[in-house]
Amino acid sequence: EPEVTQTPSHQVTQMGQEVILRCVPISNHLYFYWYRQILGQKVEFLVSFYNNEISEKSEIFDDQFSVERPDGSNFTLKIRSTKLEDSAMYFCASSERDEQFFGPGTRLTVL
Amino acid sequence: SQKIEQNSEALNIQEGKTATLTCNYTNYSPAYLQWYRQDPGRGPVFLLLIRENEKEKRKERLKVTFDTTLKQSLFHITASQPADSATYLCALGVGLNFNKFYFGSGTKLNVKP
Repeated sequence: EPEVTQTPSHQVTQMGQEVILRCVPISNHLYFYWYRQILGQKVEFLVSFYNNEISEKSEIFDDQFSVERPDGSNFTLKIRSTKLEDSAMYFCASSERDEQFFGPGTRLTVL
Repeated sequence: SQKIEQNSEALNIQEGKTATLTCNYTNYSPAYLQWYRQDPGRGPVFLLLIRENEKEKRKERLKVTFDTTLKQSLFHITASQPADSATYLCALGVGLNFNKFYFGSGTKLNVKP
């Protein structure tokens, strides 16, 4: 069964450093998403991406965040200058239409 | 902004009983509402979707209702099993293109044998 994959599973970085989180969505899907979940809190929408451009973004998704689909298979989330409060689990999801398939997540720890 | 409330932090029920979980929302009406299951340390897994013009949806032991007047969705698991123990999340699809999602904080369901 096709699935969304994410790498790395765990990323540790120093405050102020740039990180890139990678996702491979399901191949025939058209919509791509990034979410974050701070430990013990709710899943928070960051951004949706369709037709090679951002479709929707949340208030969290400020100038320090960017997304890219550099080739036909990868979907990346870049955080330019990480802060302590960026520590969270980051989930990528993809959908053909409405049903979203989530990846296993990348745990980001900012020290 | 959209506010979503899911009932109680944990729901404890006996195996074989029906679990009923609630999702209430405020402000504008979403185009559709989704229910997900999340196990510890894992990503959410899609269960059911119900659109604003639908009253009820079923899938095996799962049933979802959607009342746009009350701004509420109910999620039922019939004949519950210990394997159903997990956190259940509701999510509202909103925005211009309906692909912006607000998630509730989830209800933790414990099914005891």
